[in-house]
Parts: sequence; C-alpha cells; structure tokens
Amino acid sequence: GNSVTQMEGPVTLSEEAFLTINCTYTATGYLSLFWYVQYPGEGLQLLLKATKADDKGSNKGFEATYRKETTSFHLEKGSVQVSDSAVYFCALSANSGGSNYKLTFGKGTLLTVNP
Amino acid sequence: DGGITQSPKYLFRKEGQNVTLSCEQNLNHDAMYWYRQDPGQGLRLIYYSQIVNDFQKGDIAEGYSVSREKKESFPLTVTSAQKNPTAFYLCASSILWGVDGYTFGSGTRLTVV
Repeated sequence: GNSVTQMEGPVTLSEEAFLTINCTYTATGYLSLFWYVQYPGEGLQLLLKATKADDKGSNKGFEATYRKETTSFHLEKGSVQVSDSAVYFCALSANSGGSNYKLTFGKGTLLTVNP
Repeated sequence: DGGITQSPKYLFRKEGQNVTLSCEQNLNHDAMYWYRQDPGQGLRLIYYSQIVNDFQKGDIAEGYSVSREKKESFPLTVTSAQKNPTAFYLCASSILWGVDGYTFGSGTRLTVV
C-alpha cells in the first residue's frame, strides 16, 4: 500500500532560521502531494500542494517540490517565525485507475520556533 | 463562505453513554471522513463515505458508528463499546478522488469523565 514517511520531531529552531522537514513516499499511479499545518487545538489546514512531478507548491513563504526521481516532497522555509510553531503533516493522494481517493498521511512533525 | 463545521468543540461523556459528534459541510463535497487524533500521534481513519447512504470502515471503526443520510452531514456516534474514547476527533471532506486534498473541520475534543 501507499505510505508517507516524515522526519521525526520535535524540531526546535530559533526565529529566522532555515527550516527543512523531510517527506518521502511510496506510492504508484497519479499522485497529488500535500503539506498540512495544524496549530494547537485546531484542525488541519492545507498549506500547499503539488499535482504533478517537478511542480513546486508554495504558500506563506513555505515551499515544497514534488520530486518523482527521489520520491520526495520536502517542506522548506527560508526564515521561520514564532507563529510558524505547529505540527506539519505530509500527505498524498494516489489514483491508480481505481477508487483510491483516500489521503495517506505521515505521522506529523512538531515544529517549535523560539524568539 | 463554504466550509466544514464540527460541533461541539468540547464534549464530556460519562462512561457507558453514547455521544454523537456533528459534522456539516456546505462545499458540495461528495466524500466525508472521520479521524481520531491522540496526543502526539498522527491521524487514524475511523469511517469514510463516498456517497449518501453508503460508508466504509476505516482502520479503527470498532466502537464507532456513522450515518450519511444527507450529502452535507456525516455524524459520528461514539458508543459505550469504545473503550478509550478520550481523543480529538476531526471531520474532513473532499471531492471524489481527493485530488485537491481534504478540507478539515476545527475538531471536537471528547473527554470521558
């Protein structure tokens, strides 16, 4: 079956540091890849997505590129802020001609940014 | 604005009681989902539904039940058979195929007292 592997957390950074959260996947078929963010006590919000190979999704200074050759979708941000502290989930949707429409989620990575 | 609404935000249940969590969406999405999230854990799928009057068990369906009588609504009942129901419950919806991802509600925190 499909699987998503994210780097283990927690990740602790100082404000203005560079962020990378690694995400790799195992899946076949037509893929869409996503990053979701969850702030404390809230639901998940879509942060960015990419729907074909080499696509770059971006939003609020975050970026991720769908790399088919390395089966990866790493999340990056050049300068994090305290307000970026949250849990980040990588996810994929894989359609291989059937009805496999359910998202497969990684386990989440807790990011804490200190002032 | 379109969205997905979960209620209540906080719910307390006595042992042996059934409780029902509400989930309503006005996004005209075909598919709806229920997830459970425990502290420091990822998401675990309880039930999902592609169309009205049809739903499928997810990975942890035991002790839960759902209905899908309307496209907009997908309530989850946590029954007394669920041995450890204290958790954060998330409802989501999507177009069929999930190619655009899911839209999530803001969650319901259920506590057994």
